[in-house]
Amino acid sequence: AQKITQTQPGMFVQEKEAVTLDCTYDTSDPSYGLFWYKQPSSGEMIFLIYQGSYDQQNATEGRYSLNFQKARKSANLVISASQLGDSAMYFCAMREGNNAGNMLTFGGGTRLMVKP
Amino acid sequence: DSGVTQTPKHLITATGQRVTLRCSPRSGDLSVYWYQQSLDQGLQFLIQYYNGEERAKGNILERFSAQQFPDLHSELNLSSLELGDSALYFCASSRPGSHYGYTFGSGTRLTVV
Repeated sequence: AQKITQTQPGMFVQEKEAVTLDCTYDTSDPSYGLFWYKQPSSGEMIFLIYQGSYDQQNATEGRYSLNFQKARKSANLVISASQLGDSAMYFCAMREGNNAGNMLTFGGGTRLMVKP
Repeated sequence: DSGVTQTPKHLITATGQRVTLRCSPRSGDLSVYWYQQSLDQGLQFLIQYYNGEERAKGNILERFSAQQFPDLHSELNLSSLELGDSALYFCASSRPGSHYGYTFGSGTRLTVV
């Protein structure tokens, strides 16, 4: 079974609007971390935001916020006020366990295209 | 500069050949991870080393091997290359005691012709 599922292969959003990228995960480990990365056309992986399984509040980083619904095992990324530079691939990832020495498992990604 | 250095950035080689990809982790990081990203795909975990020892193994082909040296740099060796091995290969590093903090290199784009 897929551990990380991103069901939206591609999405369009109008500039200045908000957009939600979906991510569901599957783990039996009570301790885990969820990550979102951005990959522009240049190819590098850019860390956006992190949510720990025991964090009480949803993570926020500037225009990025993570809508964490633990019971539903979802960790959706919300980008507010989309900009043209947000056009990129976005990957959700999970680390099982509470140790940064554990590997990340990635979803298949969502390609976001921002329209002017 | 993320602190993780991957060389070379681009590599073009013929089928059947062998190549070595190199990764220098961020200073202080003990874990090195290798990932493969084929065209328009997610990142597939290949292998992890921690302080010189293999720690976890993913979907790594038998034709591929890796190692981490005493100075903590790592090399990924790909042999008997096939067209399907063309991909972007990422190295990432992390350190213990941090809830997060995976740093990715800029990747090596391998093209097998």
